[in-house]
This record gives sequence, C-alpha cells and structure tokens, in this order.
Amino acid sequence: QLQLQESGPGLVKPSETLSLTCTVTGDSVYNSDSYWGWVRQTPGNGLESIGSIYYTGKTYYSPFLNSRVTISVDTSKNQFSLKLSSVTATDTAVYYCARHVSQSATTAAGAFDIWGQGTMVTVSS
Amino acid sequence: QSAPTQPASVSGSPGQSITISCTGTSTDVGTYHLVSWYQQHPGRAPNLIIYEGTKRPSGVSNRFSGSKSGNTASLTISGLQTEDEADYFCCAYAGGSTWLFGGGTKLTVV
Repeated sequence: QLQLQESGPGLVKPSETLSLTCTVTGDSVYNSDSYWGWVRQTPGNGLESIGSIYYTGKTYYSPFLNSRVTISVDTSKNQFSLKLSSVTATDTAVYYCARHVSQSATTAAGAFDIWGQGTMVTVSS
Repeated sequence: QSAPTQPASVSGSPGQSITISCTGTSTDVGTYHLVSWYQQHPGRAPNLIIYEGTKRPSGVSNRFSGSKSGNTASLTISGLQTEDEADYFCCAYAGGSTWLFGGGTKLTVV
C-alpha cells in the first residue's frame, strides 16, 4: 500500500529557503506511471500545485512559482524533496506531497491519487 | 491563467442530490479531459473521488459522479449522507506545466 510522509522544519524565517522531504513507502519512485509532486494549501485560499518530478529527474513547475522552486528525487532513498527560496509570509501553508499520475497512464491520468498527511510550515521571524 | 471558479458553499438534506460546478476557460476545462475532484474533511488530506472528468477510483461510492459541458465540469453527489459534509475541490489541466485547483466548495448537509 503506497504511503507518503512529509518531513521538515515547521518554521522558516522570511527570505530563507523552505526545505521539505517526502518519503515514499509501499512503491518505488521508479514507477513509470508516477510523477511525485507537491501541493500546498494556504489558509482560506484553497489548493495550489507547486510542481512534480519523474524518477528520471524530469520536472515541471507551476509557472506562478517557477523561479523559486526546485524539486529533486533521491532514488536510493525512495524520497523526493522540495526547496522554495526567498519565502515570505504568503508561503505559510500546509504542504502536501502526492503522487501525480502521469498523463499517459491508462488509469487516473493526471490525478493526484495518493497524498501525504501534510505538514504545516509557517514563515515568520 | 486563473483558478477555475467554484461556488463557495452548497447545502442539501440527507437523501437529496447536489451539484458542484467548476467553471474554467477554453484553455483548461474546455480543452482537456484531465479534470479531477477531491473531497477534504477538516484536518485531513484531500482524497481523490473523480478523475478524467467522469471516472471513479475503486472504493469510491457510485453516489459520486462527474460530468463536463463546455468550459464547466460538475460533480454530483446523490443520496446525500452526513459523512459527505466536507470541502470539495476540482483540478484542471491547463497545458504545459500548469495544473489549476478550484477555490473549493464547502458542502453542508443539513
């Protein structure tokens, strides 16, 4: 059974870099139908896709955050990570990692079908 | 590109049916079939209930159904139950690397 678990600091100072890791259990990041993504939920502002990565290292990033986002994958640890630079208070949110099914998959194409429990990150000095 | 529009809230009584709309544009909902819907209970992660506009993952009740017409996707919940009370979000592909979530709809079962 595929499970995802986020980890990382819950408090980040303004202008610094937010760093989170997602550990994948019950499946391999090598799954050819899977991208591995990050979604955040700001208080009262709904959900926002940040970006995703394939096991080959191919990434796609939201055009709204592209210049500040880096997503990487560590296949040896079955983990993937998010870095968001130059954070401000508006980056305060619950951050979820999720499996983002490939658009070419035969089922659930394009859907975020498995989610981690989420981790709250507050940007404050 | 902007988020698809959803009503902020809808309500219904047990046993009734409700429909939640997700209105996008001709460059997202109107062009691609990759619309998904998520249910989120307070304090919990979102849960996928509809993918590719109309399909249900295994284990999701057949009381949930999805449809699309033009630039608007819709989620219908029939035979409302108290446990359906939650927030519902749509997500639409807008081309390139852009996936847009709607603002969410709070469903109240009264």
